[in-house]
Amino acid sequence: ELKVEQNPLFLSMQEGKNYTIYCNYSTTSDRLYWYRQDPGKSLESLFVLLSNGAVKQEGRLMASLDTKARLSTLHITAAVHDLSATYFCAVEVNAGGTSYGKLTFGQGTILTVHP
Amino acid sequence: GAVVSQHPSWVICKSGTSVKIECRSLDFQATTMFWYRQFPKQSLMLMATSNEGSKATYEQGVEKDKFLINHASLTLSTLTVTSAHPEDSSFYICSATQGNNSPLHFGNGTRLTVT
Repeated sequence: ELKVEQNPLFLSMQEGKNYTIYCNYSTTSDRLYWYRQDPGKSLESLFVLLSNGAVKQEGRLMASLDTKARLSTLHITAAVHDLSATYFCAVEVNAGGTSYGKLTFGQGTILTVHP
Repeated sequence: GAVVSQHPSWVICKSGTSVKIECRSLDFQATTMFWYRQFPKQSLMLMATSNEGSKATYEQGVEKDKFLINHASLTLSTLTVTSAHPEDSSFYICSATQGNNSPLHFGNGTRLTVT
């Protein structure tokens, strides 16, 4: 059974600081996704990582993937209050093409950025 | 960009009644749709995979007779919660894709409250 674990689960940051959220998964994956969720809302897609060593950046967020270590990171640079949200990683294991798009989610990391 | 629309956004129903949630792909043909459930302050859990023209595949522990899924066209999947109980109160989110190597899109979610 695929397991996806995030840490930390709760993260309180000061504005301007840097921090990293980690996502570990238990089996070989085809794709890894990062999503943002605001309270009461659905998911907003942040990144899709497809291969070992993939690195993507958008604004103050940067995601990377190490498939050998089965680890993805979401790095936050110079946090601002608007980044406060819950962040999920999700792993796709596409077994022979039959499970494309089927995701297993991590527990989520609740990020709060303080002035 | 591609949009997946869910309807209704929220619904309140009485215990014992049934409620139908629609998931529509507005500008692409979705060969596969997924239904997730998210309880408050928890992660998303996959309920079932819905392929157009065939029976849905349910995850372990999800009652197929209680959560009826129909994917009769390439742009519409429906989830019917039958004989709803308060413990079915949750946020239901669908996702849709055209298939291999195509983007995955999430709907805006439906908040169900059973009184």
